[in-house]
Amino acid sequence: AQSVTQLDSQVPVFEEAPVELRCNYSSSVSVYLFWYVQYPNQGLQLLLKYLSGSTLVESINGFEAEFNKSQTSFHLRKPSVHISDTAEYFCAVSDRDHQTGANNLFFGTGTRLTVIP
Amino acid sequence: DAGVTQSPTHLIKTRGQHVTLRCSPISGHKSVSWYQQVLGQGPQFIFQYYEKEERGRGNFPDRFSARQFPNYSSELNVNALLLGDSALYLCASSLTFGPGAYGYTFGSGTRLTVV
Repeated sequence: AQSVTQLDSQVPVFEEAPVELRCNYSSSVSVYLFWYVQYPNQGLQLLLKYLSGSTLVESINGFEAEFNKSQTSFHLRKPSVHISDTAEYFCAVSDRDHQTGANNLFFGTGTRLTVIP
Repeated sequence: DAGVTQSPTHLIKTRGQHVTLRCSPISGHKSVSWYQQVLGQGPQFIFQYYEKEERGRGNFPDRFSARQFPNYSSELNVNALLLGDSALYLCASSLTFGPGAYGYTFGSGTRLTVV
């Protein structure tokens, strides 16, 4: 089974500063990769995903993530954060090529991003 | 367009009771998965159903069960509730068995508190 590591449980950053949230996964088999954001008392919202093609994927609100197969990483970055980006961010992975069993997501433990005014 | 809807939004139960949580996927989506998110942790996979068949379950006891109906909605049942079952229960749907082009879409969850 896959495992996902988000090394930073909390990341404080000043408004308009850049940020990187780190994510590493365990297996080098073909995978799909996701970043979800969770605001307080809400469910998960898909921020961006890597399914195939370009290793650099972008979201509509300025986040981007790069799939690095050799390092089994999918770090999330934003060049300039806003107060509204304060939330919990979860990295998730699912196996691309399985024939049996569930096609489920494996989540990291989350990174709490706090943007300081 | 309606997203993934879950009911109820909040629920308080006593230890030993039974609970049923409900999920309606996005129209046309045939896969429904259930996840448990304990406070301060990432979601953990419980079940996936696709085309009304169970395709897999996570590492949860037999007290947890689920089913998917002909209209692709789903129920998650938990028997003999324990304090440790207190969590946010999330439902996710996708068009196909895998994430497809649009990924998995989550509902807002049901917050279950066991006292």
